[in-house]
Amino acid sequence: DAKTTQPPSMDCAEGRAANLPCNHSTISGNEYVYWYRQIHSQGPQYIIHGLKNNETNEMASLIITEDRKSSTLILPHATLRDTAVYYCIVRSAYSGGSNYKLTFGKGTLLTVNP
Amino acid sequence: GAGVSQSPSNKVTEKGKDVELRCDPISGHTALYWYRQSLGQGLEFLIYFQGNSAPDKSGLPSDRFSAERTGGSVSTLTIQRTQQEDSAVYLCASSPRVGVGSDTEAFFGQGTRLTVV
Repeated sequence: DAKTTQPPSMDCAEGRAANLPCNHSTISGNEYVYWYRQIHSQGPQYIIHGLKNNETNEMASLIITEDRKSSTLILPHATLRDTAVYYCIVRSAYSGGSNYKLTFGKGTLLTVNP
Repeated sequence: GAGVSQSPSNKVTEKGKDVELRCDPISGHTALYWYRQSLGQGLEFLIYFQGNSAPDKSGLPSDRFSAERTGGSVSTLTIQRTQQEDSAVYLCASSPRVGVGSDTEAFFGQGTRLTVV
């Protein structure tokens, strides 16, 4: 019962913006969107999360559509070190909804090319 | 400051032996999680701790798997009578608190690569 859909792979040129889409058409009002990434042979790394407003931090920006059915993670100036699998995860705000758990799908393998 | 530390980084064991995997979370983090990642597979949730208690053990694959956390800090994942299908990378994570929103992001360790031969 996957809650998110992501393309299996994407390519991006070094120095350009990487825009990673995620579809979460069944998201409910109390569910957040989280993004993690996993560089080869490392543990996952938190990137950013949001509920309905767009968010920005030192790593990335998260753009959530008004209907909240999809979002885009933007890496403004991709570098070779950004090559990784990127996971989009939906999490409930209710403790009864197992919100302690990160349910990872297959993610998007982003390859940044020189 | 120090991140989540896991030891050993690599472990090769014979089928049928018991193994213990250790996780040192970030100091002050009340929540601790164990996941595993089999070759070519996604990350699978195993168990989480809130303090020293484990409200949800449902992700543990069988009764050969157990985990404990002491002093609200270090956690040990024990696998008894290891089988070849237990071969995977076992990842530990911690977060300041459980849930969503601020201070809930999970910080992962580098993992322990377990190979059962």
